[in-house]
Amino acid sequence: AQSVSQHNHHVILSEAASLELGCNYSYGGTVNLFWYVQYPGQHLQLLLKYFSGDPLVKGIKGFEAEFIKSKFSFNLRKPSVQWSDTAEYFCAVSSGGSYIPTFGRGTSLIVHP
Amino acid sequence: DTEVTQTPKHLVMGMTNKKSLKCEQHMGHRAMYWYKQKAKKPPELMFVYSYEKLSINESVPSRFSPECPNSSLLNLHLHALQPEDSALYLCASSQEGASGGARDTQYFGPGTRLTVL
Repeated sequence: AQSVSQHNHHVILSEAASLELGCNYSYGGTVNLFWYVQYPGQHLQLLLKYFSGDPLVKGIKGFEAEFIKSKFSFNLRKPSVQWSDTAEYFCAVSSGGSYIPTFGRGTSLIVHP
Repeated sequence: DTEVTQTPKHLVMGMTNKKSLKCEQHMGHRAMYWYKQKAKKPPELMFVYSYEKLSINESVPSRFSPECPNSSLLNLHLHALQPEDSALYLCASSQEGASGGARDTQYFGPGTRLTVL
């Protein structure tokens, strides 16, 4: 069964700092990768996704993620965070032909103004 | 438009009540999902409907009863819930479900925040 690890459970940054959130998965075959964001009191929104092609994926709100197959990773990055980026970030992976994604436990990001 | 709507936004119910949560999407998606989410935790899959048929039930207690009246609507009927069932209930939809394979993308609604007294 697929497992998804988000090692950074809590991240605290100041505005304008750079962000990188880790996501690693266990399945060694073809994977489809997603990052979702959940702002306080709101629903999950899709930030970006990777199915194939260029391993550097650009999403909404200035976020990007890089798929590194050899490291089983799909880390999320943003060069300069804002206070409004304070949220929970979830990595999700679907694989092996299954359309049901497995979610990581999430990373809580707090950005201080 | 990638909108999934859910009603009500908030629901408070007693353990003997019967209530229903509703979810609607007009994106032509053929798969719809119910998730349960506790604070600061990832969503937990409860049920999946694909082409209006229940395809996955993640061993959810029978006090939760899903219904898919048509391809745009998904209900979750609640009866005799327990306080530990208090959570955010999320509905999601995706274009193809089982026929789309792993490339399907889920879009989530705003959720219903349920409190069981």
